[in-house]
Amino acid sequence: EAEVAQSPRYKITEKSQAVAFWCDPISGHATLYWYRQILGQGPELLVQFQDESVVDDSQLPKDRFSAERLKGVDSTLKIQPAELGDSAMYLCASSLSRTQETQYFGPGTRLLVL
Amino acid sequence: SQQGEEDPQALSIQEGENATMNCSYKTSINNLQWYRQNSGRGLVHLILIRSNEREKHSGRLRVTLDTSKKSSSLLITASRAADTASYFCARETSGSRLTFGEGTQLTVNP
Repeated sequence: EAEVAQSPRYKITEKSQAVAFWCDPISGHATLYWYRQILGQGPELLVQFQDESVVDDSQLPKDRFSAERLKGVDSTLKIQPAELGDSAMYLCASSLSRTQETQYFGPGTRLLVL
Repeated sequence: SQQGEEDPQALSIQEGENATMNCSYKTSINNLQWYRQNSGRGLVHLILIRSNEREKHSGRLRVTLDTSKKSSSLLITASRAADTASYFCARETSGSRLTFGEGTQLTVNP
């Protein structure tokens, strides 16, 4: 069964350092999402791509976060510089299209900022 | 920020019992979805109910939706230890955007 892949699974970094997360969605899925999940809370959408275009980044802290999906397939989420409050699980999800409601989630990257 | 609430925040039951989780929301929706998350893992889609539907079943899962009260419930019947997880409702509004609740932590004791 096809799955969303994410790497790394765990990342420990010091504040002010740069970190990057990678996501490979299910093959053929045009829509890709990045979520942040703070421990004990539900996921919160950071950015949504349709193919290579950003369609929603209203909740992305653009002073330090950036996301790209250059060829409309895999995607990278970057934080520079990392802050203590960025410690969280970063989840990637994909769906066949914007009108296909079910989202398929990857295993996530757990980030700890020291 | 997240809109809506889920209750209870935590639920502990014995194997074989039924588990009911509730979700309330504030804005109009296209559909409402329920997801499960095992500890430290990604979310798994369980069931979707559209705004014009009132009840939906999938195996041991039963979901109801009351748009007049802006609330939904998830019932898991004959629970098993493997059902232990966090359960989230997610409201879909415009542009396929999902807004998740805080979740209910379900523990099923053997």
